[in-house]
Amino acid sequence: AAGVIQSPRHLIKEKRETATLKCYPIPRHDTVYWYQQGPGQDPQFLISFYEKMQSDKGSIPDRFSAQQFSDYHSELNMSSLELGDSALYFCASSLTGGNSPLHFGNGTRLTVT
Amino acid sequence: RKEVEQDPGPFNVPEGATVAFNCTYSNSASQSFFWYRQDCRKEPKLLMSVYSSGNEDGRFTAQLNRASQYISLLIRDSKLSDSATYLCAANTGGFKTIFGAGTRLFVKA
Repeated sequence: AAGVIQSPRHLIKEKRETATLKCYPIPRHDTVYWYQQGPGQDPQFLISFYEKMQSDKGSIPDRFSAQQFSDYHSELNMSSLELGDSALYFCASSLTGGNSPLHFGNGTRLTVT
Repeated sequence: RKEVEQDPGPFNVPEGATVAFNCTYSNSASQSFFWYRQDCRKEPKLLMSVYSSGNEDGRFTAQLNRASQYISLLIRDSKLSDSATYLCAANTGGFKTIFGAGTRLFVKA
């Protein structure tokens, strides 16, 4: 079965650079979520989209933005990167909203040097 | 106070043991709950959804107590392969699912 696809798997950036993470949800899933997980931390909710509209926002820094496109894929844009942004970034998708379980992609490991 | 709280453990148990994890949530409007398993540096994988009073799947049983706002996960006959971090999650309304910090389990031979 098709799963959530994230790219790239690994990304190394320097401070103050920008990064773009991509996510392709499971086909027919209409909700996409982004999470940030630091070492030894729980996944922190950043933002979600339902039917290409932003639906909920969590602890997403102002330096980050995200959108969902007409083909339902989503991109997380991160600017002015800081060392503390180094983390695993997971995208998840679900069918019709939050009461359905989330299915996660493999994640993007971002290292900021 | 965190919206979803778990005992971080670690729990160290021998093979064959029964182990139980608890999770509490603060948002009484939460309707759906989930247990995920996460292996080191990997993505969380859905173990079980909990919508009503509980759910059972083989060696795994989840219970929901809405009055006390907690969810539990019971693992019977632990296997070495059950060693992982177990994450509790609650949908807090809309399109926002919040995770607990996870409970680490080590099953030893």
